Amino acid sequence: DIQMTQSPSSLSASVGDRVTISCRASQSISRYLNWYQQKPGEAPKLLISAASYLQGAVPSRFSGSGSGTDFTLTISSLQPEDLGTYYCQQSSSTPWTFGQGTKVEIK
Amino acid sequence: EVQLVESGGGLVQPGGSLRLTCAASGFTFSSYWLSWVRQAPGKGLEWVANIKGDGSEKHYVDSVKGRFTISRDNTGNLLYLHMISLRVEDAAVYYCARDKPAAAGSYDHWGQGTLVTVSS
Repeated sequence: DIQMTQSPSSLSASVGDRVTISCRASQSISRYLNWYQQKPGEAPKLLISAASYLQGAVPSRFSGSGSGTDFTLTISSLQPEDLGTYYCQQSSSTPWTFGQGTKVEIK
Repeated sequence: EVQLVESGGGLVQPGGSLRLTCAASGFTFSSYWLSWVRQAPGKGLEWVANIKGDGSEKHYVDSVKGRFTISRDNTGNLLYLHMISLRVEDAAVYYCARDKPAAAGSYDHWGQGTLVTVSS
C-alpha cells in the first residue's frame, strides 16, 4: 500500500498569511494526488485533483503543485472560512490512501 | 443537483451485522464508480470499498475483505455496504462518495455520512 505523509499535523496562522501544507507519498504516484478540505461536522470537499486542477467554485487562493512523491497545497491568503482539516489522497493505485490530515486554525 | 444520502447506521454489538444504504440522485447513477469511505471518531479518512458503474468490478481495503460487501441497484439508484462480523475498530462515520468522471479515486461528491457504533 502507498503511504501518504502530511506535514505539519497542525498549524495556526493569521488571516492573510500564506499557508503551505506538504504531502509525501511512499512511492511515485505521478500526479494522482487529490486535496480535500473538511470543516468540523461536515463531509470532505474536493479542492484539487490531479495535483493541481482546481475544482469549480473553489477559490483561486487555493493551489496545488508537485508530482512523483512530493506535493504541496498552498493557500495564498488565509481567510477565516478556511479553518478545518486538509487531507491529501493518492488515486494512483488501490487501496486509495489518505494522509493523516493537517488541521488549520486561525490565530 | 447531485445528492448522496446515507442511512442504516446505528449501534451494533461486536460480531453483529449492518447494512448501509446510499440513495443517489441528480446524475446518471450507472455511469459512475462509487465508494464507501469511513472516518473513525476524531481520526482521518479511510477508503473502504468501491464498485464500478455496472457492478462488474469491486475492490476492498484488506481490513474488511471477507466481512464487507459493496453492491448497487442501478434501477433504484442505491448503493449498499453489507457489513458482517463487525469489530470495535469498524466504528466510524461511513460516507458514500462519487468518483469524478475518468478520475477514479477522486471524489467530487460526498454524502453527509451515517454513524456506525460497535460496542457491547
